[in-house]
Amino acid sequence: EPEVTQTPSHQVTQMGQEVILRCVPISNHLYFYWYRQILGQKVEFLVSFYNNEISEKSEIFDDQFSVERPDGSNFTLKIRSTKLEDSAMYFCASSPGVEYTEAFFGQGTRLTVV
Amino acid sequence: GESVGLHLPTLSVQEGDNSIINCAYSNSASDYFIWYKQESGKGPQFIIDIRSNMDKRQGQRVTVLLNKTVKHLSLQIAATQPGDSAVYFCAENTMDGNKLVFGAGTILRVKS
Repeated sequence: EPEVTQTPSHQVTQMGQEVILRCVPISNHLYFYWYRQILGQKVEFLVSFYNNEISEKSEIFDDQFSVERPDGSNFTLKIRSTKLEDSAMYFCASSPGVEYTEAFFGQGTRLTVV
Repeated sequence: GESVGLHLPTLSVQEGDNSIINCAYSNSASDYFIWYKQESGKGPQFIIDIRSNMDKRQGQRVTVLLNKTVKHLSLQIAATQPGDSAVYFCAENTMDGNKLVFGAGTILRVKS
């Protein structure tokens, strides 16, 4: 069964450093998303991406964040200068369409900023 | 603004009993709803969805009910099993939306 894969599963970084979280969405999907989940809290939307551009983003997704689809298979989230409060699980998701279609989630990357 | 919330943060049920997890939403423009299950250390996993033109949808051992009048969504799990223990999230989307808004989550604990 096709699945969304994310690497690494766990990333530890020092405050102020840049991190890149990587995702391989399901191959025939057109919409890609990043969500985050701070420990014990709900899943929060960060950004959606379609046709090689951001289609929607939340207030969390400030100038420190960027997304890119560098090739036909990868979808990345970059945090330029990490802060302690960026520590969370980051989930990538993809969907074949936008209306009435579920998003399929990856297993997540646990980011720990020290 | 948009918000999705749950009535009960933790639900404990006996194995074999039925479970009901509730969710309230406030965005009347939402027209598509999904229930996700999240096991420890994993990403959300799709359980069942429902469009706003329906009030009930059934899957295998699960049923979702939608009451648009009071903006309420519920997930019923029949014959709850230990493997059902997880956090359950409801999520909503609007027809022209490009994101899911998740609720706070309910922990389901199944006692053997």
